[in-house]
Amino acid sequence: GQQLNQSPQSMFIQEGEDVSMNCTSSSIFNTWLWYKQDPGEGPVLLIALYKAGELTSNGRLTAQFGITRKDSFLNISASIPSDVGIYFCAGHNYGGSQGNLIFGKGTKLSVKP
Amino acid sequence: GAGVSQSPSNKVTEKGKDVELRCDPISGHTALYWYRQSLGQGLEFLIYFQGNSAPDKSGLPSDRFSAERTGGSVSTLTIQRTQQEDSAVYLCACSGLAYNEQFFGPGTRLTVL
Repeated sequence: GQQLNQSPQSMFIQEGEDVSMNCTSSSIFNTWLWYKQDPGEGPVLLIALYKAGELTSNGRLTAQFGITRKDSFLNISASIPSDVGIYFCAGHNYGGSQGNLIFGKGTKLSVKP
Repeated sequence: GAGVSQSPSNKVTEKGKDVELRCDPISGHTALYWYRQSLGQGLEFLIYFQGNSAPDKSGLPSDRFSAERTGGSVSTLTIQRTQQEDSAVYLCACSGLAYNEQFFGPGTRLTVL
């Protein structure tokens, strides 16, 4: 089945540093989404990307939909303690079930004040 | 309500018992999804409802798992004869017109002893 590879699995950074994480797919996606999950909560949508090459920002977060349609990255600038959590990429592919988002395994971010 | 709600938040059961998990989606969101999240893993798609169409059950891991959605709103996920490997967080999500943008509930943490 289709797989999403998300990296890195975890990151330990100092407050104020920039963060970058990415996802790659074994096949084409037509939508990429990035979610953040806090402990005991469901994932919260951060950014949605619908077009190859699209670069979208949401505050200190920036995400891009790769030109090949097989990858996406998320950058967080000037990290703060509340950025701590698990970040998931998710994709929806051509020909897939309308509801079938495929998720990466997550990047666990720890921020040291 | 303003968001997706799920109940119970935690459920501990004995192996072999049946459990029912409930999801109340955002009012007016026609699509509803169930996912399973095991410890340290991404989200595994289980089932998807869209309006009055037949549900997409392609992600259900076995015939012990079933789900219903009554009146196009509330959904119940039922697991019969629970096994220890069913222990996970079960997440419900819904979406409206932008069907790839899914909004998640807080999840039900199921522990099978």
